Amino acid sequence: AQTVTQSQPEMSVQEAETVTLSCTYDTSENNYYLFWYKQPPSRQMILVIRQEAYKQQNATENRFSVNFQKAAKSFSLKISDSQLGDTAMYFCAFTAPLVFGKGTRLSVIA
Amino acid sequence: SAVISQKPSRDICQRGTSLTIQCQVDSQVTMMFWYRQQPGQSLTLIATANQGSEATYESGFVIDKFPISRPNLTFSTLTVSNMSPEDSSIYLCSVGPAQGFYGYTFGSGTRLTVV
Repeated sequence: AQTVTQSQPEMSVQEAETVTLSCTYDTSENNYYLFWYKQPPSRQMILVIRQEAYKQQNATENRFSVNFQKAAKSFSLKISDSQLGDTAMYFCAFTAPLVFGKGTRLSVIA
Repeated sequence: SAVISQKPSRDICQRGTSLTIQCQVDSQVTMMFWYRQQPGQSLTLIATANQGSEATYESGFVIDKFPISRPNLTFSTLTVSNMSPEDSSIYLCSVGPAQGFYGYTFGSGTRLTVV
């Protein structure tokens, strides 16, 4: 079975600091996509960043970057220069269809 | 990426009744997905809705409880039937990526409370 594990139920970070959210997964597939989604209190699921498993280069989207370790089946999310608007639930997921981890509740503190 | 309009955004329903949730997509998509998010939990896939064929349900979900329609490539409905308080959840629809890869897009969700 394909599973996603997020070992940090809650995290907090000071505004402007950097935080890393962990994610590991298990699959027998060789080609797949990995995602981080953000869910603020509005409950809208917002795509933060994606990574193709066949690409060795780590994806980057502005303040968000990933550390993708395919052999270790690890896919962590780094948020730099944290902002108050980053406060949300963060879900790690991979295809297909999407399998989600349990989520990490991130609080950015002023 | 596609834009999804999901209705209703929230509802409070009596136990034993049914609620139909609609998702309209602004472009044609092959696959649509329905998820349930129980309070404080992650998203769990209910079923995959393909146009012109029966939906494919995940383990633990059955068609009698969650009938799905997919009449065309831009629209789908999920019905939550014979509701009980345990069905109180957020229900979200999602569409898969079209050409190229842009990730999966989600509707804004329906918050259902069963009393």
